[in-house]
Amino acid sequence: LAKTTQPISMDSYEGQEVNITCSHNNIATNDYITWYQQFPSQGPRFIIQGYKTKVTNEVASLFIPADRKSSTLSLPRVSLSDTAVYYCLLGGSGGYNKLIFGAGTRLAVHP
Amino acid sequence: DAGVTQSPTHLIKTRGQQVTLRCSPKSGHDTVSWYQQALGQGPQFIFQYYEEEERQRGNFPDRFSGHQFPNYSSELNVNALLLGDSALYLCASSTPGTGIEETQYFGPGTRLLVL
Repeated sequence: LAKTTQPISMDSYEGQEVNITCSHNNIATNDYITWYQQFPSQGPRFIIQGYKTKVTNEVASLFIPADRKSSTLSLPRVSLSDTAVYYCLLGGSGGYNKLIFGAGTRLAVHP
Repeated sequence: DAGVTQSPTHLIKTRGQQVTLRCSPKSGHDTVSWYQQALGQGPQFIFQYYEEEERQRGNFPDRFSGHQFPNYSSELNVNALLLGDSALYLCASSTPGTGIEETQYFGPGTRLLVL
């Protein structure tokens, strides 16, 4: 599976918009892009998933350019409870999907 | 609708012992994957079970084995425990997609400490 690259850490303040960019230059045609959030000592929680263009749900937006070599997770108006590790992953469809996690991005939201 | 559940939540073992961890998948899911997460690192894929068979395996030794039951629940067994096996063990469930990504949903994990 293709590798992803994310910033190791980011800092933000309550109420700000946070954008976390993930690079995946060798993404395969059938790869989807998925983001997970993880709090300490808990299992990762699915945030959002997309294949191309823009996807939005109640908690985040995912922007994917036409070449799909990167993606950006956008968290609007973060709060202290958004402090967590965020993982960007690639995976194919149709089963046999093992998730390859990198080190993730540690987001710290400050008051 | 219950999500993925795991038991026990915490476990302490000594080197050389054997351990069994259990996972019940989310309702409607038939595929179970197991991951090991060492402190400060991302989860690492151990193996995946579907239709009671192991269909994918990560880079883990044979000391790590598993089983899936007819009700789709699963067990992870680790033999001859080493200090380095201390980690959070995560179970994730999913169901084969139909042209879209097979989203995996994680349980809360089992924290294993090997002394």
